[in-house]
Amino acid sequence: SQQGEEDPQALSIQEGENATMNCSYKTSINNLQWYRQNSGRGLVHLILIRSNEREKHSGRLRVTLDTSKKSSSLLITASRAADTASYFCATDARETSGSRLTFGEGTQLTVNP
Amino acid sequence: GAVVSQHPSWVICKSGTSVKIECRSLDFQATTMFWYRQFPKQSLMLMATSNEGSKATYEQGVEKDKFLINHASLTLSTLTVTSAHPEDSSFYICSALRLAVIYEQYFGPGTRLTVT
Repeated sequence: SQQGEEDPQALSIQEGENATMNCSYKTSINNLQWYRQNSGRGLVHLILIRSNEREKHSGRLRVTLDTSKKSSSLLITASRAADTASYFCATDARETSGSRLTFGEGTQLTVNP
Repeated sequence: GAVVSQHPSWVICKSGTSVKIECRSLDFQATTMFWYRQFPKQSLMLMATSNEGSKATYEQGVEKDKFLINHASLTLSTLTVTSAHPEDSSFYICSALRLAVIYEQYFGPGTRLTVT
């Protein structure tokens, strides 16, 4: 079963605004990753944050990780219409072997021009 | 960068037939590949872990006799959907595991299967 839960399920904003998506998980993790998926396409890896890290930046992306609350957030600043996509968090759980990822339910982001 | 390809990108088949989907790591060797299934507007569900030279490990609830996985080389894994039914229609995505500083998964572009 999916251990990741994301909220909101859908988010609609205007270009230039910031978008924040949250992810919660249930088990101890080695790392947490965020992916983007355009409709009907494959996954694009955005950022990986390790269990001993609290915050990470990549361009307009900012990811936080709170292992005590088992949650993570993805912030996209100054959003663009091209950011419209589904965003998934995925966890690499500590108790499983082989780097298997468990995906969250995803957030559908729509950025209106 | 690491590139993973899938073939075909889409396929339509009739009920009862079998379909083979290929997953290739183009510029690196992958002893481990993963197969996921994604239904419309849903998340990715891991189906199985494909290990080069050994049997695949299937997730609970996935029929190994229906979804045959063969990882015959370090750059190729295949998923065969046998006796396909309309409920098997889905988006199938593979990923390949590459060791950099840590193990990272690189995803293929997916294969859209429609069973009529």
